[in-house]
Amino acid sequence: AQTVTQSQPEMSVQEAETVTLSCTYDTSESDYYLFWYKQPPSRQMILVIRQEAYKQQNATENRFSVNFQKAAKSFSLKISDSQLGDAAMYFCAYRSKMTDKLIFGTGTRLQVFP
Amino acid sequence: KAGVTQTPRYLIKTRGQQVTLSCSPISGHRSVSWYQQTPGQGLQFLFEYFSETQRNKGNFPGRFSGRQFSNSRSEMNVSTLELGDSALYLCASSFVPEDVYEQYFGPGTRLTVT
Repeated sequence: AQTVTQSQPEMSVQEAETVTLSCTYDTSESDYYLFWYKQPPSRQMILVIRQEAYKQQNATENRFSVNFQKAAKSFSLKISDSQLGDAAMYFCAYRSKMTDKLIFGTGTRLQVFP
Repeated sequence: KAGVTQTPRYLIKTRGQQVTLSCSPISGHRSVSWYQQTPGQGLQFLFEYFSETQRNKGNFPGRFSGRQFSNSRSEMNVSTLELGDSALYLCASSFVPEDVYEQYFGPGTRLTVT
């Protein structure tokens, strides 16, 4: 069975600085999807960035980028120029192409200080 | 267009009772997935419906059930409530199950079992 591990329960960053959130996963599949979701205090889960396993190029969405290391089964999220609105719970998620099930990590709470 | 809506937003029930939660997907979306979010277990997949059929099911006891109607609205039911069922229940919708890029989450229903 696939698992997703986020080893950092909490992280903090100063406004305008850069922070990296870690995620590792375990799977025997060769093709799958990886996601980072953001859940602000209002609770609505929002998709931040996605990566397809067969694509070697790291995904980038404005200030958000990932470091996808397929062999190491690592999928970290880098937030550049952090803003107060980035404060939220961040979940790493794995989606199997075979089962379509979405498996989440336990989340990392990110605090942003002015 | 309107987002995913969930009703009710908050619910307090007593052990042994049953509860029904509702999820209305984004107009045109036919796939609905349900997740349970607790501090201890994180986000766990409950089940997924598409065109009124259950496509996937997570590892939850039979007390958890769901259904989808012809208008794609979905309900989940929990019978014989236990204290451990206290959680935030999230639903997410997409046009089709394979549409991993366009899965939108609702705000959730906070269920408290006393």
